[in-house]
Amino acid sequence: EPEVTQTPSHQVTQMGQEVILRCVPISNHLYFYWYRQILGQKVEFLVSFYNNEISEKSEIFDDQFSVERPDGSNFTLKIRSTKLEDSAMYFCASSGAGALNTGELFFGEGSRLTVL
Amino acid sequence: AQSVTQLDSQVPVFEEAPVELRCNYSSSVSVYLFWYVQYPNQGLQLLLKYLSGSTLVKGINGFEAEFNKSQTSFHLRKPSVHISDTAEYFCAVSEVNDKIIFGKGTRLHILP
Repeated sequence: EPEVTQTPSHQVTQMGQEVILRCVPISNHLYFYWYRQILGQKVEFLVSFYNNEISEKSEIFDDQFSVERPDGSNFTLKIRSTKLEDSAMYFCASSGAGALNTGELFFGEGSRLTVL
Repeated sequence: AQSVTQLDSQVPVFEEAPVELRCNYSSSVSVYLFWYVQYPNQGLQLLLKYLSGSTLVKGINGFEAEFNKSQTSFHLRKPSVHISDTAEYFCAVSEVNDKIIFGKGTRLHILP
């Protein structure tokens, strides 16, 4: 069964460092998302991406965050200068369009980011 | 904009007893509704979804949910829980080809 894969599963970084989280969505999916979950809290929407551009972003997704689909298969989330409060689990998700639209988002296993 | 309310942050229930996890949503348009489960230290797994059609939706692991449009609810039920059902359960709502919005989650504690 096709799945969304994320790397790394866990990353520890120093405050102020740049971090890139990588995701390989399900092939043929056209909509891509990043969510985050701070420990013990709800899953929060960060950004959605379609047709090579951001379609929507939340208040959390400030200038420190960026997303990119560099090569047609990967979908990355970059945090330019990490802060302590960026420590969270980051989930990537994808969904299909048209005949591939099953109405649901398919989530990866998550990347846990720890900022020291 | 759509939103989701999960009224109970924690629900303790004895093993083999029935359980209902409550979810209410708000939206100005037709929506899709979901329940996701998150086991300790794991990712999000889809339990079930309502897109259209029958209002009673059956999912994995013996769970089911009923869509009630008049009450804007989508409560999750299981007739007999098992210790392995211990997890966080998230209700979620989305519009077609739009982001999913999650509720705050309900932690299900199974008591022996």
